[in-house]
Amino acid sequence: DAGVIQSPRHEVTEMGQEVTLRCKPISGHDYLFWYRQTMMRGLELLIYFNNNVPIDDSGMPEDRFSAKMPNASFSTLKIQPSEPRDSAVYFCASHLPGYTEAFFGQGTRLTVV
Amino acid sequence: EDQVTQSPEALRLQEGESSSLNCSYTVSGLRGLFWYRQDPGKGPEFLFTLYSAGEEKEKERLKATLTKKESFLHITAPKPEDSATYLCAVSTGGGNKLTFGTGTQLKVEL
Repeated sequence: DAGVIQSPRHEVTEMGQEVTLRCKPISGHDYLFWYRQTMMRGLELLIYFNNNVPIDDSGMPEDRFSAKMPNASFSTLKIQPSEPRDSAVYFCASHLPGYTEAFFGQGTRLTVV
Repeated sequence: EDQVTQSPEALRLQEGESSSLNCSYTVSGLRGLFWYRQDPGKGPEFLFTLYSAGEEKEKERLKATLTKKESFLHITAPKPEDSATYLCAVSTGGGNKLTFGTGTQLKVEL
């Protein structure tokens, strides 16, 4: 398996624009997570899905952020409108059922100017 | 609220100089403690999972141990390629989400 695949790897956008980040989890993994990493706050969980259903979105910073998982092989994280403080590296991760290790993608580095 | 604290924030070692990284945690119902390695510009890479106090796991020059309050990542005779940020995370009874510490940035010099 190619691992967790995220796209794009880098995104530069202007404040106020809509940004969509994409993730393909490892086949057979039924848990999917979106994390955000910054120097100040480290890795923070934004939302996670189990079997395509959102389970916990308490980490989503505000209504500008939304996430979907239309099927087992694809998820999106959308920011609309984007703001400079959203600049960070966004990671997607997936894992098998149970308290097992999560496998991370390479991340999307988002810069909002 | 679950809390994970890692120390030191940064560590510089000479090649071959063994040391330990610490991860202390305050959680309600630990389900698993995870160690990850992260290289610059990459996603975290899984190293170990520990589930109960007293458990130990080894991989090459790394050994992870767990007590009821903390975990240690022991690095024996490190090499420059061990340079990375090491992250500790806990999974608790509230779900499968991971709460991460802020990491220890390790640099191993020749």
